[in-house]
Amino acid sequence: DAKTTQPNSMESNEEEPVHLPCNHSTISGTDYIHWYRQLPSQGPEYVIHGLTSNVNNRMASLAIAEDRKSSTLILHRATLRDAAVYYCILSGLNSGGSNYKLTFGKGTLLTVNP
Amino acid sequence: DTGVSQNPRHKITKRGQNVTFRCDPISEHNRLYWYRQTLGQGPEFLTYFQNEAQLEKSRLLSDRFSAERPKGSFSTLEIQRTEQGDSAMYLCASSLRGYNEQFFGPGTRLTVL
Repeated sequence: DAKTTQPNSMESNEEEPVHLPCNHSTISGTDYIHWYRQLPSQGPEYVIHGLTSNVNNRMASLAIAEDRKSSTLILHRATLRDAAVYYCILSGLNSGGSNYKLTFGKGTLLTVNP
Repeated sequence: DTGVSQNPRHKITKRGQNVTFRCDPISEHNRLYWYRQTLGQGPEFLTYFQNEAQLEKSRLLSDRFSAERPKGSFSTLEIQRTEQGDSAMYLCASSLRGYNEQFFGPGTRLTVL
């Protein structure tokens, strides 16, 4: 499985934007970039995913570098409820042609200061 | 609540005992996954089902572990002869084939004394 590298921790202030980086220099052409987050004492929660183009949804934006070797998750206005571990994950295709297995790293612990 | 549910939420057992966990996925989801998470680490993939077929098992899933998904609905994960190293959070997730998003349950925390 292709590997991702994320900072161990980051801090942000409430209502400010947060940019969470992820490096994935060994990404293959069929790997999707997924972001999940895990709040304390909960299971992981899907945030966003993309392949080549930048993506936006109600939770966040995903900016993907042109060479796809890095990406950035953008939370436009951090709230205290965004404090969590954020995981950047590459998910490749199985023999059936669809993504399935998620390989989590240690993620980035985001602290949001009031 | 129509999300993924897991039971029990907590289980304390003595070394050598057998334990079984249950996962109820979102009703229309045909894929179901089991992951294990130890303290300070991200979840690790254990196995996944498409309908009732178990399509992949991680090498982390020793012969003491068995998972089933009869009739392609709920799933059970059994650990036989538990060891202290089995202490972890066991997470279940489900998804629709062809969709990227996996929906996770709250997990079952196992403590082996």
